[in-house]
Amino acid sequence: NAGVMQNPRHLVRRRGQEARLRCSPMKGHSHVYWYRQLPEEGLKFMVYLQKENIIDESGMPKERFSAEFPKEGPSILRIQQVVRGDSAAYFCASSPQEQVRVTQYFGPGTRLTVL
Amino acid sequence: LAKTTQPISMDSYEGQEVNITCSHNNIATNDYITWYQQFPSQGPRFIIQGYKTKVTNEVASLFIPADRKSSTLSLPRVSLSDTAVYYCLVGDMYSSASKIIFGSGTRLSIRP
Repeated sequence: NAGVMQNPRHLVRRRGQEARLRCSPMKGHSHVYWYRQLPEEGLKFMVYLQKENIIDESGMPKERFSAEFPKEGPSILRIQQVVRGDSAAYFCASSPQEQVRVTQYFGPGTRLTVL
Repeated sequence: LAKTTQPISMDSYEGQEVNITCSHNNIATNDYITWYQQFPSQGPRFIIQGYKTKVTNEVASLFIPADRKSSTLSLPRVSLSDTAVYYCLVGDMYSSASKIIFGSGTRLSIRP
């Protein structure tokens, strides 16, 4: 059973470009979470999605950031017009249900560097 | 939501037992305590979870006193590969992921 997959693992963008980060949850998992981690800091929750629905986006900046989890295919975190402050590691996690007692399984992350 | 406090960093040596304590004074009745481990350049990995007393698995033990205001993650006979950041999280079964705060964790360094 493959784990959570994220691609690309590393992404370099120039200021003003768009960044698209992909996450394929574990087989059988219908809940996806996105987190951002700055160097030497903990993970910050961004958004929680189920198939075709955004359940909680309270941690996501109101502008330039969007997320989706279509019926078919991976979840996408999209950052438009990237700025240097967007440079971070972005982690995706999945779980079979929302209850926190159920473990979240994390992917290896995408490291975004904005030049 | 219960806030957690844990040491910023700890050092130890191979073969030693390491205990990392987390304070959560405002823990609620329905809250569980969960610990994650994160290696450099990797996503966090679930280690152990408990509600009260003691929980043990193949990786670690978790000790929770009766008042549940703190918890201690115990790693027996650590090796260099246990060098990582360890996060203590508190939340109840029905908390949304957005309510779970990872914090800065405890950076554990194991020396030869």
